[in-house]
Amino acid sequence: DIQMTQSPSSLSASVGDRVTITCRASQSISNYLNWYQQKPGKAPKVLIYAASSLQSGVPSRFSGSGSGTAFTLTISSLQPEDFATYYCQQSDTTPFTFGPGTKVDIK
Amino acid sequence: QITLKESGPTLVRPTQTLTLTCTVSGFSLSTSGVGVSWIRQPPGKALEWLALVYWDDDKRYSPSLKSRLTITKDTSKNQVVLTVTNVGPVDTATYYCAYQYYTGSEFDSWGQGALVTVSS
Repeated sequence: DIQMTQSPSSLSASVGDRVTITCRASQSISNYLNWYQQKPGKAPKVLIYAASSLQSGVPSRFSGSGSGTAFTLTISSLQPEDFATYYCQQSDTTPFTFGPGTKVDIK
Repeated sequence: QITLKESGPTLVRPTQTLTLTCTVSGFSLSTSGVGVSWIRQPPGKALEWLALVYWDDDKRYSPSLKSRLTITKDTSKNQVVLTVTNVGPVDTATYYCAYQYYTGSEFDSWGQGALVTVSS
């Protein structure tokens, strides 16, 4: 199985801050890396697919980069509605695997 | 518009079999490349992928749960069914079904989730 790790596991930030979350895969997954946002009691929502492609309707303050084994999700200017948990997920090979999540809360 | 909706019991007794149904609309389960997965999330924990059925009936399972899982699809009913045998308290979770439009794509659409509690 491909193992996914994320750092940090949680962070506190203020509105307007730039936030970066890192995801690493235990082996190369090319660009088969997706990012999801999940709010309490809701299903995850895809933000970024194929490492760097912005899902339709997602604000441009979200961006993704990376390939191979190292990836990042960046929020350029954190907004109140961005406080949530973020998961990376590899879709290169089954079993598909998710990272453990990064919780972003208000400082 | 693509929608998925999970249905099934909210409470299951230990050792019983859990059966969950995902009813889809807005796409066909026989369209080339399409896949529907089941994913679960224990309370306060991370997402865990369980199983996937592709348009051509190719099926994939989580190795750690493979012996207890069965995924099937009924194209005529627009449904994907997951069974989990011999459940225990660790299977308490919100179960989601999710749609992929081709092999290797992201989970583009998700159901609302179904909370299942395993308790005697």
